[in-house]
Amino acid sequence: GAVVSQHPSRVICKSGTSVKIECRSLDFQATTMFWYRQFPKQSLMLMATSNEGSKATYEQGVEKDKFLINHASLTLSTLTVTSAHPEDSSFYICSASPGTGGNEQFFGPGTRLTVL
Amino acid sequence: QKEVEQNSGPLSVPEGAIASLNCTYSDRGSQSFFWYRQYSGKSPELIMSIYSNGDKEDGRFTAQLNKASQYVSLLIRDSQPSDSATYLCAGGDTGGGNKLTFGTGTQLKVEL
Repeated sequence: GAVVSQHPSRVICKSGTSVKIECRSLDFQATTMFWYRQFPKQSLMLMATSNEGSKATYEQGVEKDKFLINHASLTLSTLTVTSAHPEDSSFYICSASPGTGGNEQFFGPGTRLTVL
Repeated sequence: QKEVEQNSGPLSVPEGAIASLNCTYSDRGSQSFFWYRQYSGKSPELIMSIYSNGDKEDGRFTAQLNKASQYVSLLIRDSQPSDSATYLCAGGDTGGGNKLTFGTGTQLKVEL
């Protein structure tokens, strides 16, 4: 149980293009989904929190116009990196929380983005 | 500023030994705590959750919580080379929204 998928697992794109990453909770409904970014040998950095049907809440310093988040259903959230640049190259990981009991989050496998 | 602190390591233990990973947190109101394991190049995997003072055991893993001391630990018995990974401690935010505050992780190396 508590499986989260993420697609694509790896993407290489040219500078200036937009990239969409999907995050799905496969066997539970996620009241909240989270998007993290992780640079090599660094800790997780929370980018934003999204709840189904409402606007995402972005962490300080994260550009909401650059990282568009849509949480269309209780099982699907998407992150679109708009006009990607080489400095956006990173490991993007989503997580989902069923919202029952504690704050436990289940992570997707991550998407490695390389912007050329 | 809510913080979760961990020693970055690396913590090296011989195969078969007990690995002890520690974590302290600043938010006294936190009620839930989690240990995640992250292999290099992979995403974190939830291995233990603990909500009450005391010990919680699951196979070779034991999580310990002491709310008075604001201290969480993870013991791994009979450590195996496959346990070599970075272990992230996380505390539930009291501000709602199911957010977690993560520590920076402790790298564990289990040596043959």
